[in-house]
Amino acid sequence: GAVVSQHPSRVICKSGTSVKIECRSLDFQATTMFWYRQFPKKSLMLMATSNEGSKATYEQGVEKDKFLINHASLTLSTLTVTSAHPEDSSFYICSAREDGGGFTQYFGPGTRLTVL
Amino acid sequence: AQSVTQLGSHVSVSEGALVLLRCNYSSSVPPYLFWYVQYPNQGLQLLLKYTSAATLVKGINGFEAEFKKSETSFHLTKPSAHMSDAAEYFCAVSEQRGADGLTFGKGTHLIIQP
Repeated sequence: GAVVSQHPSRVICKSGTSVKIECRSLDFQATTMFWYRQFPKKSLMLMATSNEGSKATYEQGVEKDKFLINHASLTLSTLTVTSAHPEDSSFYICSAREDGGGFTQYFGPGTRLTVL
Repeated sequence: AQSVTQLGSHVSVSEGALVLLRCNYSSSVPPYLFWYVQYPNQGLQLLLKYTSAATLVKGINGFEAEFKKSETSFHLTKPSAHMSDAAEYFCAVSEQRGADGLTFGKGTHLIIQP
């Protein structure tokens, strides 16, 4: 089956620093990837849609300058949390939709970000 | 805009008993509906999906769900619960055949009593 990986699985950083999270589709190409944020004991909230070769589309209320998304290839999307603050601490999960594979989104294992 | 409501943040059943997790949706167009399972500190695994074909959908691990348009529901069931079914379950909806980001319910934590 389709596999999506994320790196790192967990990261701890100091307030004010930037953190980059990678999302890779390992055995399929994905023109479209999605980034979600999951708060403790809460549901997943869509942050943005990442499109290869074009700008990401952000959901209302998500700061595009704070959460930078780059989808440089058909198998890699990155999310950079800039000038991180403790309130950015969360579980970030990406998903990828296989090109030509219909409508199923395959989810990565998530990245736990803790900002001190 | 679409939305998903999962009734019951926690559901507890005995091992071997019927599992019923409720999901109601709101959508302005015929929806695509999904159930995902999440184990602690892991990502989401697709259990099953409804895509306008058969209304009774069978998934992995013995789960199934029935799409009822008149009730705007997509409840998840399993005839006999197993200890390994203990996890968080999310219902999700897509209005653009999965081309858009999914809208998730708040999740239901399934507890299996021995």
